[in-house]
Amino acid sequence: GAVVSQHPSWVICKSGTSVKIECRSLDFQATTMFWYRQFPKQSLMLMATSNEGSKATYEQGVEKDKFLINHASLTLSTLTVTSAHPEDSSFYICSARRTSRGYNEQFFGPGTRLTVL
Amino acid sequence: AQRVTQPEKLLSVFKGAPVELKCNYSYSGSPELFWYVQYSRQRLQLLLRHISRESIKGFTADLNKGETSFHLKKPFAQEEDSAMYYCALSGESGGSNYKLTFGKGTLLTVNP
Repeated sequence: GAVVSQHPSWVICKSGTSVKIECRSLDFQATTMFWYRQFPKQSLMLMATSNEGSKATYEQGVEKDKFLINHASLTLSTLTVTSAHPEDSSFYICSARRTSRGYNEQFFGPGTRLTVL
Repeated sequence: AQRVTQPEKLLSVFKGAPVELKCNYSYSGSPELFWYVQYSRQRLQLLLRHISRESIKGFTADLNKGETSFHLKKPFAQEEDSAMYYCALSGESGGSNYKLTFGKGTLLTVNP
């Protein structure tokens, strides 16, 4: 159990277009999901915390108008990269916190590789 | 502010040798500490959490609040342990701060 999926697994888009990435918790409910960015051979950098039914909380330096997050249900959060540019090319990873447990138990998706031409 | 430091970017050992991956943290309260592992071409997965005090795949980690450390140890490394290891920290259990702060990671290579 406790599987998190991401779709798409990779995407190539033209500069100026918008790309939506989905994160789903397949067999558990997640009131909180997290979005990370990972550059090659580097660590995960938290971008934002996505809370079901409320606005996302963005980390310092992350443009909320650039990276739109929607957490419409207990199993789905989406990240939309608006007007993407080559510098947005990266590996985007989501994690979902299992709500049923009292402690902090998070499960990670496989990631989405975004390439902006 | 919470911070996690993994001083070693790369660590190479021979099969059967002991291995220790270092992790130090900075946090004003009582944190939760984790070790995550990422095998080649796989997703990040939880290896250990300090509150469980368990041994997974022969790895153990003890939280030392005096030294603010949470080093990962294994007495006899195996080739399949080769992976990227991340130490991570979050706020007090049960609190609202569940976000994880990751260290930069240590790439462990176990040579035959």
